[in-house]
Amino acid sequence: KAGVTQTPRYLIKTRGQQVTLSCSPISGHRSVSWYQQTPGQGLQFLFEYFSETQRNKGNFPGRFSGRQFSNSRSEMNVSTLELGDSALYLCAIQETQYFGPGTRLLVL
Amino acid sequence: GENVEQHPSTLSVQEGDSAVIKCTYSDSASNYFPWYKQELGKRPQLIIDIRSNVGEKKDQRIAVTLNKTAKHFSLHITETQPEDSAVYFCAASMRDSSYKLIFGSGTRLLVRP
Repeated sequence: KAGVTQTPRYLIKTRGQQVTLSCSPISGHRSVSWYQQTPGQGLQFLFEYFSETQRNKGNFPGRFSGRQFSNSRSEMNVSTLELGDSALYLCAIQETQYFGPGTRLLVL
Repeated sequence: GENVEQHPSTLSVQEGDSAVIKCTYSDSASNYFPWYKQELGKRPQLIIDIRSNVGEKKDQRIAVTLNKTAKHFSLHITETQPEDSAVYFCAASMRDSSYKLIFGSGTRLLVRP
């Protein structure tokens, strides 16, 4: 079964700071997607990467960015954090529909 | 734009009864419809999926039906058990060109012992 590691698992930041989250799928899987989960907005699509190329981007401001490396690891970055960015950020290996455990971000 | 509506938002059933959750999608190009179960504090887990060339799919106590004309799809859980209690999400995707998932808003299912 496919596995996904996300780091860090928990993070506390203050408004205005930036944050980088990491997602490492088991090797061999080329597609990684990111989702934001909040109680109010549910699960919302952020980005999709396939073989290091961004194939799709959701309706999020430019403060949200991402990339994928040649080893399939992906990072997402959020700059100038706002309180509303507090959420669970999930990455998924889309070939297998397997989600990672998520990074819970709290912005104070 | 793309949208998936899910109903009901909460559902309470007696153990042993059936539960039905319904979703409607807006983009007629969608061709892949997965369902996820998310227990408290855990990741979403795929429980069943269906492609647009199939009208129904079953896996033990769960089944999914798809009506492409009406753009509706539904999750059916029979003989519910307390461990079925969780939040269930439907989603839609144009899987041939993208893995992007548009999720419904979720249904909190409570199975009363």
